[in-house]
Amino acid sequence: DGGITQSPKYLFRKEGQNVTLSCEQNLNHDAMYWYRQDPGQGLRLIYYSQIVNDFQKGDIAEGYSVSREKKESFPLTVTSAQKNPTAFYLCASTSSVTASEQYFGPGTRLTVT
Amino acid sequence: SQQGEEDPQALSIQEGENATMNCSYKTSINNLQWYRQNSGRGLVHLILIRSNEREKHSGRLRVTLDTSKKSSSLLITASRAADTASYFCATDSRSNYKLTFGKGTLLTVNP
Repeated sequence: DGGITQSPKYLFRKEGQNVTLSCEQNLNHDAMYWYRQDPGQGLRLIYYSQIVNDFQKGDIAEGYSVSREKKESFPLTVTSAQKNPTAFYLCASTSSVTASEQYFGPGTRLTVT
Repeated sequence: SQQGEEDPQALSIQEGENATMNCSYKTSINNLQWYRQNSGRGLVHLILIRSNEREKHSGRLRVTLDTSKKSSSLLITASRAADTASYFCATDSRSNYKLTFGKGTLLTVNP
């Protein structure tokens, strides 16, 4: 089965704690993306990575960090500096940065109290 | 920054009717895509239309693109209850291949 997996589906954390969301793909895609979705809103880009060991900030990178040590993995850390971390987080990938069609994972709903 | 804006925000129709959703954008694009999202799930790619194309079909889906008006429409014909979902348009440009999503249209198809 080829695709993108995100775990866990639901995540609960206390305010002030860092939390890492997992994203794995076995599509052999070069580019990977992290988006945040709030109720009634579209997707906003947090970070993206075109190749291993390289990543760029998206539109709302403050309070987040990523790594891309392996082609198939692009974990996102939500730090305590993120002022409003409760949201639905979506990971996506494309075969290359110039390929438009993105493949999405099922998402992780993070709740911080 | 929000590039695409879908209209209407919500649409409720009866099974068998057609559903039309619109998307407007602000700057020149390379491609425009439509995605579908079932509640609490990830997005699924439906169709991509290039800036030099005017119309594209895929099954019950028909997408049009008018670059002079910076707008696109998605038509779903003979809708089914299973089409109930949010539909998003997304654009990218030649200088920047990042996708920019609109806020979506929530379509409800009543059986």
